Amino acid sequence: AQSVTQPDIHITVSEGASLELRCNYSYGATPYLFWYVQSPGQGLQLLLKYFSGDTLVQGIKGFEAEFKRSQSSFNLRKPSVHWSDAAEYFCAVVPTGFQKLVFGTGTRLLVSP
Amino acid sequence: SAVISQKPSRDICQRGTSLTIQCQVDSQVTMMFWYRQQPGQSLTLIATANQGSEATYESGFVIDKFPISRPNLTFSTLTVSNMSPEDSSIYLCGGGVGMNTEAFFGQGTRLTVV
Repeated sequence: AQSVTQPDIHITVSEGASLELRCNYSYGATPYLFWYVQSPGQGLQLLLKYFSGDTLVQGIKGFEAEFKRSQSSFNLRKPSVHWSDAAEYFCAVVPTGFQKLVFGTGTRLLVSP
Repeated sequence: SAVISQKPSRDICQRGTSLTIQCQVDSQVTMMFWYRQQPGQSLTLIATANQGSEATYESGFVIDKFPISRPNLTFSTLTVSNMSPEDSSIYLCGGGVGMNTEAFFGQGTRLTVV
């Protein structure tokens, strides 16, 4: 079935440590790819997007993501996590030929002191 | 980027009643979306609303339960009809000028049905 998978429901990292959040999709053609963040009680904020071109994309707040076609993945990374990064992170795709945004299951990031 | 405002931000409603959620965008957008986020869950698309055409509903969502209006390029409403406790969720409005650009979202409406 076509889907967006975020294998990690929860992740805890220490402040200052690096972070990688995983995202895999199962669509035949490369979709448009996005990462959004949802802070407690807040709406969704776009971190970054990939449509084509350079497979390493830079976003806001020091985040980056790498698209790997062979692995159908679009993992989100940050070299040094801050306590304010604690939030829910959603990977999302626009499947080729569709006019809608499909969200993954989400990963809740906890940051320990 | 577009700024999307949703009203109300939260509400507590009696079962059997209806609630209309308003979504206002500060610029014209071609597409508007309505999502539901049940407690602890991801976002599920309810429908896509393009100005001048009927909303397109996803499987499991019907117009009688979730009627949507899209009178112009900056405004949309979603009504949750004949509510039950199972409708308790966050409802998010989103908008974009096309699927090759990003979608922006409002703060959401937290609905509790008692």
